Amino acid sequence: EAQVTQNPRYLITVTGKKLTVTCSQNMNHEYMSWYRQDPGLGLRQIYYSMNVEVTDKGDVPEGYKVSRKEKRNFPLILESPSPNQTSLYFCASSPPRDTDTQYFGPGTRLTVL
Amino acid sequence: QKEVEQDPGPLSVPEGAIVSLNCTYSNSAFQYFMWYRQYSRKGPELLMYTYSSGNKEDGRFTAQVDKSSKYISLFIRDSQPSDSATYLCATLKAAGNKLTFGGGTRVLVKP
Repeated sequence: EAQVTQNPRYLITVTGKKLTVTCSQNMNHEYMSWYRQDPGLGLRQIYYSMNVEVTDKGDVPEGYKVSRKEKRNFPLILESPSPNQTSLYFCASSPPRDTDTQYFGPGTRLTVL
Repeated sequence: QKEVEQDPGPLSVPEGAIVSLNCTYSNSAFQYFMWYRQYSRKGPELLMYTYSSGNKEDGRFTAQVDKSSKYISLFIRDSQPSDSATYLCATLKAAGNKLTFGGGTRVLVKP
């Protein structure tokens, strides 16, 4: 089954404790992206990657890092999480010219205390 | 000002009614227009896609784009309780570019 998987699905952590949210897709897509979703603000792009070893900032990259060492994986790293990073996070992927048709993962709900 | 504006709702309608959703956008560079549907505790999924002004129909769903007034609409005919979800409009400047989303409208269809 074609899918985007994220882990963990739920995470409660404390300020300053480094964490990684994993994202993996099995559709051989070049384009991958991370979004955060907050009430009233919709989905905002954090980082995206056009292919392996190619990443770029989205609209709200501050406080986040990403890496793209393999085509299928695109982890999101919070080196020192803060409460304002409490949010619902989505990973998505698509073929490079089809970013209108992005396939989204199930989401990771992160709470930073 | 956000580039894509959408009323958050909730919009509550009885089963069988027509659901009317809309978005406005400010950047005339947007060329592609999408509607995503998001069920509770799930990721968004693409529902409709249009390029340039005009209508597009798919079953009970009709998407309209009016580029002259920068207005995007989605109509759901014969609404069902299974249509209860959050609907997000999204735009693209060009193929391969990043999506810009509206805030989403929550729709409740009551049996």
